[in-house]
Amino acid sequence: NAGVTQTPKFQVLKTGQSMTLQCAQDMNHNSMYWYRQDPGMGLRLIYYSASEGTTDKGEVPNGYNVSRLNKREFSLRLESAAPSQTSVYFCASIRAAEDRNYGYTFGSGTRLTVV
Amino acid sequence: GEDVEQSLFLSVREGDSSVINCTYTDSSSTYLYWYKQEPGAGLQLLTYIFSNMDMKQDQRLTVLLNKKDKHLSLRIADTQTGDSAIYFCAPGGFKTIFGAGTRLFVKA
Repeated sequence: NAGVTQTPKFQVLKTGQSMTLQCAQDMNHNSMYWYRQDPGMGLRLIYYSASEGTTDKGEVPNGYNVSRLNKREFSLRLESAAPSQTSVYFCASIRAAEDRNYGYTFGSGTRLTVV
Repeated sequence: GEDVEQSLFLSVREGDSSVINCTYTDSSSTYLYWYKQEPGAGLQLLTYIFSNMDMKQDQRLTVLLNKKDKHLSLRIADTQTGDSAIYFCAPGGFKTIFGAGTRLFVKA
């Protein structure tokens, strides 16, 4: 089925460990986004990529890095995980930043716990 | 920065109407979205309204937009237990801002 695929679905890390969250979409979308969801705080934008080859910071980029590997894939890296990064991470995509009548397509999320 | 505010909880009886309200600060949004999130899942686009409209109806869903007051609402008619979920208001821009979400409980 067409959509946004995130891996892994669950992860437990120790403080200071690193990991990369993977996201891939097969809808030929140009723009991709990483959000984190915390209870009572909605979704907060971490990084986004308006098109292949570009990335920009969102609202809460500290402690994260991203790579737009190609048009399909947009990864999120935690270099040194901290308990404050315990959250649910969502990847989303849209055909083009200006093509917003369709809204975003979201992945099913990665539940990350940092202990 | 831009902000979106929603009530965190709403409880209704099955068959009643649900009204979820949202206020926002970004007046430049061309599209204003409502997303639904079921437990353990990502967000799914429920409906949207274009900023030059006051109302949009889509089967059991009615979206009302008051641009002057920057107020958006979602009405669900004949609410069913399957409507239990978190509903997010999201005034769309280049970087869409999401509200905290309203958790709708539907009592049988």
